[in-house]
Amino acid sequence: GEDVEQSLFLSVREGDSSVINCTYTDSSSTYLYWYKQEPGAGLQLLTYIFSNMDMKQDQRLTVLLNKKDKHLSLRIADTQTGDSAIYFCAESANTGFQKLVFGTGTRLLVSP
Amino acid sequence: DGGITQSPKYLFRKEGQNVTLSCEQNLNHDAMYWYRQDPGQGLRLIYYSQIVNDFQKGDIAEGYSVSREKKESFPLTVTSAQKNPTAFYLCASMDRAVYNEQFFGPGTRLTVL
Repeated sequence: GEDVEQSLFLSVREGDSSVINCTYTDSSSTYLYWYKQEPGAGLQLLTYIFSNMDMKQDQRLTVLLNKKDKHLSLRIADTQTGDSAIYFCAESANTGFQKLVFGTGTRLLVSP
Repeated sequence: DGGITQSPKYLFRKEGQNVTLSCEQNLNHDAMYWYRQDPGQGLRLIYYSQIVNDFQKGDIAEGYSVSREKKESFPLTVTSAQKNPTAFYLCASMDRAVYNEQFFGPGTRLTVL
């Protein structure tokens, strides 16, 4: 079945890079996503990567995909205190409609 | 501005009562979803609807019901049969022609007293 795993917590200092990791099980996933959730709010799509790509860069965000190991990572360069939030990895399950399977979320804490 | 609205933001319910959470979108999206979020867990799919007048159970549908009478509206009823309803509920919508993003509402926090 589908399963997405993430570490629960990451703490970094302002200005450092943050790397959030995710492993997934469904090798037929078409898209993989990173969402950000600020306290008490809904989810906001940060970026996504198509399954035939290895890397995608978008300003301070870099997504790396290792299909062999089913490993996805999100790197945030020059992390700011405003980046403190929960980050969810999600995969699109190969069903008749677009079902997203979410990881447990990684809480990123950025200290000054 | 286009988007998804959920109301109310906070909801308190006594045990044994049914309660309905509202979700409205003006994005003209066909598909809509309801998720439940518990602390330290990811989002779990309750119900989804791909088109008006049609909806399907997700992974944790027991104790919940939905309707989809209009394209823009997808209300969720939490019934008294739901044994542990206290949670954060998120509604989302998606353009079926563009399979790369679900848009989320701000959420409703339901607390059972």
